[in-house]
Amino acid sequence: DAGVTQSPTHLIKTRGQHVTLRCSPISGHKSVSWYQQVLGQGPQFIFQYYEKEERGRGNFPDRFSARQFPNYSSELNVNALLLGDSALYLCASSGWTEQETQYFGPGTRLLVL
Amino acid sequence: AQTVTQSQPEMSVQEAETVTLSCTYDTSESDYYLFWYKQPPSRQMILVIRQEAYKQQNATENRFSVNFQKAAKSFSLKISDSQLGDAAMYFCAYRATQGGSEKLVFGKGMKLTVNP
Repeated sequence: DAGVTQSPTHLIKTRGQHVTLRCSPISGHKSVSWYQQVLGQGPQFIFQYYEKEERGRGNFPDRFSARQFPNYSSELNVNALLLGDSALYLCASSGWTEQETQYFGPGTRLLVL
Repeated sequence: AQTVTQSQPEMSVQEAETVTLSCTYDTSESDYYLFWYKQPPSRQMILVIRQEAYKQQNATENRFSVNFQKAAKSFSLKISDSQLGDAAMYFCAYRATQGGSEKLVFGKGMKLTVNP
């Protein structure tokens, strides 16, 4: 079975632009979470979605938004990009069994210039 | 709020030797999960091992085992017979339950170098 997939793998944007990152969960997984990992730090929780509904939001500004689609894939949107948004964005999915365990995708590396 | 602390930013080990990575956490909950993830230079976060807090028995996965001390809020990872492929960043994580969200709270990570 395919693991969590994310696109694109790398992205370069300029300040003020908007970006959309995409994630497809493991087949059968209905929960998707997004994390931001700044260089040299552990991942920080941004959002969790389950069955297309937001179930949790981390301490991130309203410029960050997300949604989950009927096929359980997800998008993370970031508006008005700042230099500090440069990071690795990780998506993780979890299933009905082993709900507590999140499996991560390879991430999207975003660089804001 | 739950916090996870990894106090050793870097460690090194000789191939085939054993190394222990330390992690402490703070929580007021009695039931939770703890995880160790590995992140090689390829960036993908890979699950190494998990521990349910209500289980007294320490989890084991092949060469990887944990020493879970609930009262001390300590969760260390032991890697036996270290291999070159074990070189990576290792993150300790706590699964918090917050209003229905099951977010992971991560430590800052520890870089493990395996010397041939």
